[in-house]
Amino acid sequence: QVQLVQSGAEVKKPGASVKVSCKASGYTFTTYAMHWVRQAPGQRLEWMGWINADNGNTRFLQKFQGRVTITRDTSASTAYMELSSLRSEDTAVYYCATLRGFFNYWGQGTLVIVSS
Amino acid sequence: QSALTQPASVSGSPGQSITISCTGTSSDIGGYNYVSWYQQHPGKAPKLMIYDVSNRPSGVSNRFSGSKSGNTASLTISGLQAEDEADYYCSSYTSSSTVVFGGGTKLTVL
Repeated sequence: QVQLVQSGAEVKKPGASVKVSCKASGYTFTTYAMHWVRQAPGQRLEWMGWINADNGNTRFLQKFQGRVTITRDTSASTAYMELSSLRSEDTAVYYCATLRGFFNYWGQGTLVIVSS
Repeated sequence: QSALTQPASVSGSPGQSITISCTGTSSDIGGYNYVSWYQQHPGKAPKLMIYDVSNRPSGVSNRFSGSKSGNTASLTISGLQAEDEADYYCSSYTSSSTVVFGGGTKLTVL
């Protein structure tokens, strides 16, 4: 069965960077794009960006341009999302997800806490 | 890119039907048939309930249905049950090759 397994929770200081991984299994990794979505405590889902798992092309929400990097390692069927210059407002659960029609699978979420 | 507009909350009694609206623009909902609806229980990842406006994934109850008219999509839940109480989010593909989510709607089953 399809699974997206994310790395564990992180606590970071303001100004630092965080890198979250998302290992896919149960399907051909390069067939579907991988999206990253975050949800601050008590807030709505916010789409951040996506990567074409086949060719590595990326697209980001403008508010994250320059701060977010999404990469993938096809040999490991793993996608990565790195967010830099962290601030308290970046405290959230970060999800990877496939979001393609019925092929819609989500990771379990990674809690990132930004606190001094 | 602004979030799609959803009512903050809706409520209904068991057995009743409710509809949640999701309003966007011609650059997202109005321009594409790529509207999805998600159900999210506290502390859980979102679960897909409707994709491509009106399609139900395997395993989702036929009490859930979706539709779209112009720039507004809707999710209808019929025969409301206690376990339907959750947050619901719409999403759409956009003309910028991005995805946008709605603000979320809290459904309360009275």
